[in-house]
Amino acid sequence: QVQLVESGGGVVQPGRSLRLSCAASGFTFSSYAMHWVRQAPGKGLEWVAVIAYAGSNKYYADSVKGRFTISRDNSKNTLYLQMNSLRAEDTAVYYCARDEFRMDVWGQGTTVIVS
Amino acid sequence: QSALTQPASVSGSPGQSITISCTGTSSDVGSYNLVSWYQQHPGKAPKLMIYEVSKRPSGVSNRFSGSKSGNTASLTISGLQAEDEADYYCCSYAGSRTYVFGTGTKVTVL
Repeated sequence: QVQLVESGGGVVQPGRSLRLSCAASGFTFSSYAMHWVRQAPGKGLEWVAVIAYAGSNKYYADSVKGRFTISRDNSKNTLYLQMNSLRAEDTAVYYCARDEFRMDVWGQGTTVIVS
Repeated sequence: QSALTQPASVSGSPGQSITISCTGTSSDVGSYNLVSWYQQHPGKAPKLMIYEVSKRPSGVSNRFSGSKSGNTASLTISGLQAEDEADYYCCSYAGSRTYVFGTGTKVTVL
């Protein structure tokens, strides 16, 4: 079945780095743009970044621009989020989601705690 | 990239209809027919309910419908059921390949 599984979350000190992964299965990963969306504890959803299906075009929310990098490996059906210079306000559950304009499939999320 | 404005909470009795508003600007909601709505139960991932303002994905109940007027999009849930109790978020394309979510609305079934 169509599935996204995030991993790589954990507890990290401020200023350090972390890389999240999102493994896709059940669909042609290379045909879809992919997003990262986050949700701070008790807060709403915040769009983080999107990458085009081929990986050539990447766009970011102002809050993470210059610190986070979205990338993908279509040969491994995997999406990544490299997070550098982490701040306390980056503490959140991070979700990956499929498809540019309608985010129709979501992973279960991975938790990042910056402390 | 300011969040779209939604009411914090909306409630209704079983069988009633409720409407959740999502107000943006002429740079996001008002400029593109690319508004989507997501349902999120506690501790769960969001679920797509409506896309492109009014389209329903396969498997989503026809009790859910979407519309847009100017800078405001709306989600209507008719025949409210206990299982509809959840948080709901709108999301709009905001140009330059960026996106913005709404502040979220907690729906309570009385």
